[in-house]
Amino acid sequence: AQKVTQAQTEISVVEKEDVTLDCVYETRDTTYYLFWYKQPPSGELVFLIRRNSFDEQNEISGRYSWNFQKSTSSFNFTITASQVVDSAVYFCALSEAGYGGSQGNLIFGKGTKLSVKP
Amino acid sequence: KAGVTQTPRYLIKTRGQQVTLSCSPISGHRSVSWYQQTPGQGLQFLFEYFSETQRNKGNFPGRFSGRQFSNSRSEMNVSTLELGDSALYLCASSGGVATNEKLFFGSGTQLSVL
Repeated sequence: AQKVTQAQTEISVVEKEDVTLDCVYETRDTTYYLFWYKQPPSGELVFLIRRNSFDEQNEISGRYSWNFQKSTSSFNFTITASQVVDSAVYFCALSEAGYGGSQGNLIFGKGTKLSVKP
Repeated sequence: KAGVTQTPRYLIKTRGQQVTLSCSPISGHRSVSWYQQTPGQGLQFLFEYFSETQRNKGNFPGRFSGRQFSNSRSEMNVSTLELGDSALYLCASSGGVATNEKLFFGSGTQLSVL
């Protein structure tokens, strides 16, 4: 069965600290997709990144970086020099390979609530 | 470009009633997915519609249903409401042509069942 585990329920840091959000996934599929979404207090989920199972390259986007390791089934997210605006709930999600354009079934972790204090 | 719009933003119903939620996707998007978010179960996939047809379905009882119109707008209906249906219902849209595209979410409808 597919499963996503975000062991950190809440994290609190002071502005400018680096913080890593952990994500561990389980799947029997060889082709799958991993996502990170951010949910600010307004409620909508905001897409951050998508990775397919064949692309293990780490990615950096500004202060955000992602470390994908198939050997440990992890897809961790690091925010460098955190800011107050980064405060939100962050979700890691897994999707099996859909077909014909199908968006499949996104399996979300329970989320990590990040609080960045000034 | 307008984002995904969900109406109403808040809804209060009583047990046994039925409710209809509405979602207008981003212009040009043909896929609409629905998710339920609760503190206990987290985010769970309900179903996905593409070109007026249900293309994927999660593990929810038949009381949860949906439909999509020719302009891609979608509605979700829950009949015979139960207390456990209280949740934030999120709608997401995407082009729906490429597989596993990123989703654009609305702000959700907060449903409270009393």
